[in-house]
Amino acid sequence: GDSVTQMEGPVTLSEEAFLTINCTYTATGYPSLFWYVQYPGEGLQLLLKATKADDKGSNKGFEATYRKETTSFHLEKGSVQVSDSAVYFCALSDDSGGSNYKLTFGKGTLLTVNP
Amino acid sequence: DAGITQSPRHKVTETGTPVTLRCHQTENHRYMYWYRQDPGHGLRLIHYSYGVKDTDKGEVSDGYSVSRSKTEDFLLTLESATSSQTSVYFCAISEKSGPPQETQYFGPGTRLLVL
Repeated sequence: GDSVTQMEGPVTLSEEAFLTINCTYTATGYPSLFWYVQYPGEGLQLLLKATKADDKGSNKGFEATYRKETTSFHLEKGSVQVSDSAVYFCALSDDSGGSNYKLTFGKGTLLTVNP
Repeated sequence: DAGITQSPRHKVTETGTPVTLRCHQTENHRYMYWYRQDPGHGLRLIHYSYGVKDTDKGEVSDGYSVSRSKTEDFLLTLESATSSQTSVYFCAISEKSGPPQETQYFGPGTRLLVL
């Protein structure tokens, strides 16, 4: 079945540091890939997505590139801010051979950015 | 923000009692989903709906049932609540299943405590 593995947290960084959160996946088809962010006490918000190999998703200074050869979708940001503190989820959307696509999530990575 | 509301937002109940959670959308999206979020597990799909009266099971459906009698409402019922169903429950909606419009938008969540 489909699965998503993302790096264990928590991750603690100082403001303006470089961020990488690793994500790899296993899928039966040709999935779309997503990063969602969850701020404290809130629901998940879509951060970025990519629907095919070599696509780069970007938003709010975050980027991730869909790498089919390494089955990866690592999240990066060049300079993090305190306001980026949140839980980040990598996810894939696949139909697994059926007719309806479903999201499979990683376990989430807690990021804390200190001033 | 997508128009998704969940009710109640918080609930405390006792083991063995029935509980119904409601998800309401104003986006007229066809697909609706119920997830549970637990530490160390990320989000896991409970049930989903691909139209009025059309529902299917997710990966953790035991002990849960759903109903969708109108496009805008998706109900999740715990027939006889157990302590293992203590969790945060999220509803999500999507316009389509499959790329490129399969992005899911999440509600604010319901925090359920079963004593």
